[in-house]
Amino acid sequence: DIVMTQSPDSLDVSLGERATINCKSSQSILYTSTNKNYLGWYQQKPGQPPKLLIYWASTRESGVPDRFSGSGAGTDFTLTISSLQAEDVAVYYCQQYFSTPPTFGQGTKVEIK
Amino acid sequence: QLQLQESGPGLVKPSETLSLTCSVSGGSIASTTYYWVWIRQPPGKGLKWIGTIYYSGSTYYNPSLQSRVTISVDTSKNQFSLRLSSVTAADTAVYYCARHRAGLWDTFDLWGQGTMVTVSS
Repeated sequence: DIVMTQSPDSLDVSLGERATINCKSSQSILYTSTNKNYLGWYQQKPGQPPKLLIYWASTRESGVPDRFSGSGAGTDFTLTISSLQAEDVAVYYCQQYFSTPPTFGQGTKVEIK
Repeated sequence: QLQLQESGPGLVKPSETLSLTCSVSGGSIASTTYYWVWIRQPPGKGLKWIGTIYYSGSTYYNPSLQSRVTISVDTSKNQFSLRLSSVTAADTAVYYCARHRAGLWDTFDLWGQGTMVTVSS
C-alpha cells in the first residue's frame, strides 16, 4: 500500500493568516502518460462526512472557495488556505488514488490561534 | 440532487456479521460513470477504504479486509450493501457510503452522513 504522511498533525493559525498542510506519499503518484498526480484533499468538520476540496492535486472541486489551493507533484504535496476563516476549522486529509487500495493521510487538525 | 443514506444496526456482537445498506436517491445507481464505495472511520481516527462496486456488480476490495467483506448492489432498489463477517472491536467505526467522482480510480465527491457501528457483546 502507498503510505500517505501528513505534517504537521495539528496547526494553530490566526484568522486571516495562511495555513499550509503537507502530504508526502511513499512512492510517486504521478501517472506520467497523463501527467496527472492522483492526489485529493478533503475537509472534515466534527460530526460530518469528509468533503472533497481538491482533486488531481490542484483542481478545486466546484463550489470550493478559492482560498483553498493544492500544489505539488510526484511524492510531495501541499494544501494551502490563503486566509483562514473561522469556518475552516476542521481536519484535513490527503488521499492517493494512484493505486489500489486508495489510502489516506492520518489527518491534520486546523484550529484558530 | 443525488443523496446517499446509510442504514443498518448500530450494535453488532463480536464474531457476527455487520450488514449495512446505502440508499441512493435523486438519481440512478445504474450510472455508467460512477462507482459506489464503502469507507470507514474508527472513532477519533483516519479514513479507510473498504471496497467499491459498479452497478454491474463488479467489485474491488481492500486486501486487508477482502476475506471478510462482501459488497453487493440491487439496482431495482437503487441500493448497495456491505457485509463484514467475523467482526471484532477493531471494526467499531463510522461507516460511510460514498461515490467515486468520475470513474473507478478517482476521489470521492459525494458522501452519506455515516452510521456508527459498535461491536460489543
